[in-house]
Amino acid sequence: EPEVTQTPSHQVTQMGQEVILRCVPISNHLYFYWYRQILGQKVEFLVSFYNNEISEKSEIFDDQFSVERPDGSNFTLKIRSTKLEDSAMYFCASSEEMHSNQPQHFGDGTRLSIL
Amino acid sequence: RKEVEQDPGPFNVPEGATVAFNCTYSNSASQSFFWYRQDCRKEPKLLMSVYSSGNEDGRFTAQLNRASQYISLLIRDSKLSDSATYLCVVSNRDDKIIFGKGTRLHILP
Repeated sequence: EPEVTQTPSHQVTQMGQEVILRCVPISNHLYFYWYRQILGQKVEFLVSFYNNEISEKSEIFDDQFSVERPDGSNFTLKIRSTKLEDSAMYFCASSEEMHSNQPQHFGDGTRLSIL
Repeated sequence: RKEVEQDPGPFNVPEGATVAFNCTYSNSASQSFFWYRQDCRKEPKLLMSVYSSGNEDGRFTAQLNRASQYISLLIRDSKLSDSATYLCVVSNRDDKIIFGKGTRLHILP
């Protein structure tokens, strides 16, 4: 069964450094998403992306965050100047259609630890 | 009222028992509803979509009551492998997805 893949599985970064989290969505999917989950808390929506642009973003997704689809397969989340509170599990997801119609499939996640 | 609210849990039930999860949502314009399960420190995995007419998949039954803005998930004949956190997920017209905090289930042998 096709799956969403994320790399790295664990990223350790010094506070203030930039970090890029990578995702390869399922190949025929058109909608891409990033979520985060702080340890012990609920999954929080960050951003949705379609047709090479952001379609929706949450209050968490401020100017420090950006997303990109640099080629036909990768979907990246960049955090420009990381803070301690950015430590969380980051999940990428993709769907064939907008989530309102189709469920999303999640990657295994990247655990981001900010020191 | 929280956007998506679930039973706080945890639920500790013996193997073979029937378990019911409840979820309420605040936005009456919400369009789509799903149940996901999440194992400890793993990604959420789709369990089932929830349709207005109610739907069943093996031991799992999901129901939606739009008038009451309420969703439920029933697990019959629970198994040890059902132990996980169950997440209620609601999707709005603007493609914003809201997760509930989840209800943790422990199935006891």
